[in-house]
Amino acid sequence: ETGVTQTPRHLVMGMTNKKSLKCEQHLGHNAMYWYKQSAKKPLELMFVYNFKEQTENNSVPSRFSPECPNSSHLFLHLHTLQPEDSALYLCASSQDWGRGYEQYFGPGTRLTVT
Amino acid sequence: DAKTTQPPSMDCAEGRAANLPCNHSTISGNEYVYWYRQIHSQGPQYIIHGLKNNETNEMASLIITEDRKSSTLILPHATLRDTAVYYCIVSGKNNNAGNMLTFGGGTRLMVKP
Repeated sequence: ETGVTQTPRHLVMGMTNKKSLKCEQHLGHNAMYWYKQSAKKPLELMFVYNFKEQTENNSVPSRFSPECPNSSHLFLHLHTLQPEDSALYLCASSQDWGRGYEQYFGPGTRLTVT
Repeated sequence: DAKTTQPPSMDCAEGRAANLPCNHSTISGNEYVYWYRQIHSQGPQYIIHGLKNNETNEMASLIITEDRKSSTLILPHATLRDTAVYYCIVSGKNNNAGNMLTFGGGTRLMVKP
């Protein structure tokens, strides 16, 4: 247990569906992150939030829409996804956005787009 | 952030020390060296990080060369549960770039009985 939880753990959705991934951290951290890990590819950073403000958007398509209502919760809203968006989506948090802080990852949501 | 080079795979006998090397010859003075590992289909697990000095915690030791161009992660007594992909990441060139981690291919460590 890392103190970062993600729900659901598995999700199957059609290309016309709208769904949301949820992440919650119980560590009192100020920064939260979304990563994507496609099959046989390295993890890719998608978004960063620091004190609820988005600080990084790594050229992610608009069909992925993040939301950070407070420092403990992070959502990833999904709509009109493509089959190539099937991947493991990982949430992480760190004490702060600055240098030298380690990140703690959740278990991930395995997403399949049909 | 500086690029890292790791061997794609390594084997280690159970109970022996696992020494995982990482080259980061273009590291800048402000950049930290981080190690994470990922067991199949799970989220990455933070192991250890350091700037200049060697570091040790309950999981591992991190040895950074004096010129900081390479480092070694040491798992002192490897167990079968240490079988995973280990990532060496250099990050934190400046505070504006914050804590961005760029994952490469890592080293697949296989601990054998």
